[in-house]
Amino acid sequence: NAGVTQTPKFQVLKTGQSMTLQCAQDMNHNSMYWYRQDPGMGLRLIYYSASEGTTDKGEVPNGYNVSRLNKREFSLRLESAAPSQTSVYFCASSERGLGARSATNEKLFFGSGTQLSVL
Amino acid sequence: GEDVEQSLFLSVREGDSSVINCTYTDSSSTYLYWYKQEPGAGLQLLTYIFSNMDMKQDQRLTVLLNKKDKHLSLRIADTQTGDSAIYFCAESRTGGYNKLIFGAGTRLAVHP
Repeated sequence: NAGVTQTPKFQVLKTGQSMTLQCAQDMNHNSMYWYRQDPGMGLRLIYYSASEGTTDKGEVPNGYNVSRLNKREFSLRLESAAPSQTSVYFCASSERGLGARSATNEKLFFGSGTQLSVL
Repeated sequence: GEDVEQSLFLSVREGDSSVINCTYTDSSSTYLYWYKQEPGAGLQLLTYIFSNMDMKQDQRLTVLLNKKDKHLSLRIADTQTGDSAIYFCAESRTGGYNKLIFGAGTRLAVHP
């Protein structure tokens, strides 16, 4: 049971380069999320997708784009990487779609993270 | 995670109890969560509490909620070396879609 799978695990970019982080979940979840984790700052939401075909900005969307390719896959793209985007990126999913929330359907399942360095 | 605050580090002896504290800001938050992150891994949900509860116990874990003071705590009884990890508290805001706001995380170190 794979859960949430992210690739790559590590990446080093030069300033200005572009790349796409891939995420896939096999739990038939409706919602998917991209977070970044920085020391002393917890997790901050970059973008989320409440259902297939919809995406919305989170707290820190600048410099990123996302695509909800299908129900399983949600990718994060950095068009022109900057040193400020050096971080650990986590993809997550939850069962909840557009209906009422509950602690069960709101529960986040996380991937193992991508450590990105921008030089 | 600027609105959810946690101390950054806690060190305890193996076998003692650990208490990790958290303060949050949104009094209308419905659920409050504790997530655990082990080295090199993503976060995993440990437990949660509904905002109309004061306490929840789950084996070695006890969650206490003081809604008046917006204070949440996680007590781990008989702390083991396998409990060494970063613990995140998160509140579920009602203002936006499934908006979980995370604290910065408390690194728990368990020593012999």
